[in-house]
Amino acid sequence: AQSVTQLGSHVSVSEGALVLLRCNYSSSVPPYLFWYVQYPNQGLQLLLKYTTGATLVKGINGFEAEFKKSETSFHLTKPSAHMSDAAEYFCAVRSLYAGGTSYGKLTFGQGTILTVHP
Amino acid sequence: KAGVTQTPRYLIKTRGQQVTLSCSPISGHRSVSWYQQTPGQGLQFLFEYFSETQRNKGNFPGRFSGRQFSNSRSEMNVSTLELGDSALYLCASSRWVDGYTFGSGTRLTVV
Repeated sequence: AQSVTQLGSHVSVSEGALVLLRCNYSSSVPPYLFWYVQYPNQGLQLLLKYTTGATLVKGINGFEAEFKKSETSFHLTKPSAHMSDAAEYFCAVRSLYAGGTSYGKLTFGQGTILTVHP
Repeated sequence: KAGVTQTPRYLIKTRGQQVTLSCSPISGHRSVSWYQQTPGQGLQFLFEYFSETQRNKGNFPGRFSGRQFSNSRSEMNVSTLELGDSALYLCASSRWVDGYTFGSGTRLTVV
């Protein structure tokens, strides 16, 4: 079974500082990997995803993530935090296998709330 | 391009009642998945539909059910509501396995 661990339920940074949100996954084979952001009373917005190819993935709003197979990690970074980045961030995985118990199923981490201080 | 539309946005129901939530996927997306989000359990997969067929189901009691129509719109139903069913219900539509677009959700409160 797949699982996702997000280290740190709360992360606080100053505006302009580096943002680093950690995600480790457990899977028998490298899965598809996603980062989503959720603002209060909203749904989930896709920031970026890794499927195949380049391991450094760039997303929206200046975020990027690097897939490291040897570390089973997919950490999210942004060089300079902005006040508008304050939100909850979710890492998710989906099996490469298309069928059976994988249909439509993303497995999410517990989320990390990012606070940005002026 | 219209996104995923969920209606209603907010619902208040009484214990024991039933509720139906609706999800209209992005045009051309035939897969619709449903998730329950609560502070304690986080985001949990309910079920997935494709071409009017349920292909996958999460670990929820039979009170939770769903269906999909020929136009790919989907509904989920919760019968005999319990206080613990209070949650944000999200649906996601996808065309391929590597992309899931979520709606804004329906906030269900059971009193």
